[in-house]
Amino acid sequence: DIVMTQSPDSLAVSLGERATINCKSSQSLLFTSNNKNYLAWYQQKPGQSTKLLISWASTRESGVPDRFSGSGSGTDFTLTISSLQAEDVAVYYCQQYFTMPYTFGQGAKLEI
Amino acid sequence: QVQLQESGPGLVEPSETLSLTCTVSGGSMSNHYWNWIRQPPGRGLEWIAYVYYNGNTNYNPTLKSRLTISVDTSKNQFSLTLRSVTAADTAVYLCARDDFGWGLFDSWGPGTLITVSS
Repeated sequence: DIVMTQSPDSLAVSLGERATINCKSSQSLLFTSNNKNYLAWYQQKPGQSTKLLISWASTRESGVPDRFSGSGSGTDFTLTISSLQAEDVAVYYCQQYFTMPYTFGQGAKLEI
Repeated sequence: QVQLQESGPGLVEPSETLSLTCTVSGGSMSNHYWNWIRQPPGRGLEWIAYVYYNGNTNYNPTLKSRLTISVDTSKNQFSLTLRSVTAADTAVYLCARDDFGWGLFDSWGPGTLITVSS
């Protein structure tokens, strides 16, 4: 199985500041025939359903604020929140869908 | 917008069988992949299995020997059966839709906590 490792496990960021979460996979998630990275980011808030934020490493889903961005390729990826808002407090997960079984990172808890 | 809602027993005794159902509303089950994912307390997410609307399935090898997943499109439901449960199966169980079969989960239920204990 592909192992996904996130860092840090938790972080505290001031309102309006930048938050950065890293995700490393145990093997490349880049499919060379289409040049796509099979990496997604999810947001999980207490009492709410989990939300898909970013697919293909850097494609924001419809309705996701543009302060959220994804970057990286191969084995190293980053989720960046450019200006933290109070409603961004959540746990964030990366997930690979390059091969089955699909696997997730352990999660990164973002606090203010 | 499609909505998913899990339902289950809450508490299951060790060695017994866990049965869960996910009810889909606000959209068709056709042409989509329907998944189960679980989250042990304080831990990350683990993909369990999917069932396509036509009944085709795929399981996580770590659980495959104990699992059955099925779909009933007439009821807009899909279900999971996990046999011979242990305390390690205690988790929040979530159902999710994969729209195109990529492995991207674009709609999720809120989850249901299943505790395995006597």
